[in-house]
Amino acid sequence: DVKVTQSSRYLVKRTGEKVFLECVQDMDHENMFWYRQDPGLGLRLIYFSYDVKMKEKGDIPEGYSVSREKKERFSLILESASTNQTSMYLCASSSELAGTDTQYFGPGTRLTVL
Amino acid sequence: SQQGEEDPQALSIQEGENATMNCSYKTSINNLQWYRQNSGRGLVHLILIRSNEREKHSGRLRVTLDTSKKSSSLLITASRAADTASYFCATGGGADGLTFGKGTHLIIQP
Repeated sequence: DVKVTQSSRYLVKRTGEKVFLECVQDMDHENMFWYRQDPGLGLRLIYFSYDVKMKEKGDIPEGYSVSREKKERFSLILESASTNQTSMYLCASSSELAGTDTQYFGPGTRLTVL
Repeated sequence: SQQGEEDPQALSIQEGENATMNCSYKTSINNLQWYRQNSGRGLVHLILIRSNEREKHSGRLRVTLDTSKKSSSLLITASRAADTASYFCATGGGADGLTFGKGTHLIIQP
């Protein structure tokens, strides 16, 4: 089974802090994604990557950056956390080589910025 | 970007009844997926239906797709308490990521 893990389930940070959210997948998937989920807004795509060292902006990239130095790891970085970045963050991976668009999600990180 | 919209936003039924959720989207698609999310957890993929398919079954799940109406429905038969969750439809995929609707929150009353 595909396993996608995220470094923390819950995280509390202060405004202005630099925050790293880590995601690791163990199925050699080439595509990885970061979403945020907010009540009433659903899931929104922040950034995605379809290969090592490559990244693409999603629908709401402002205030975020990403890093993909290794195929299995995709990091989301909040350079200077703000209260409006309090949210649930979900990482996912997929492989087009599998012939399907199915994405496999991690358990999520609930980030609170005070 | 494409967007799915689920309907209803919330649904409460008795255990054993069938639950039906609908999804509408705006542009042409290659496939449509349904996901489940239990409270406070990540999403779990349920089923994918391709644009050339009209109906698909998986266990107690039945998904239909009407590309002429740009709509899909998810039917859960013989509901159980463990089916209580939020259900999302999603379009897009591949390297561009999925676009999700806001979800239907399903509550199964014992």
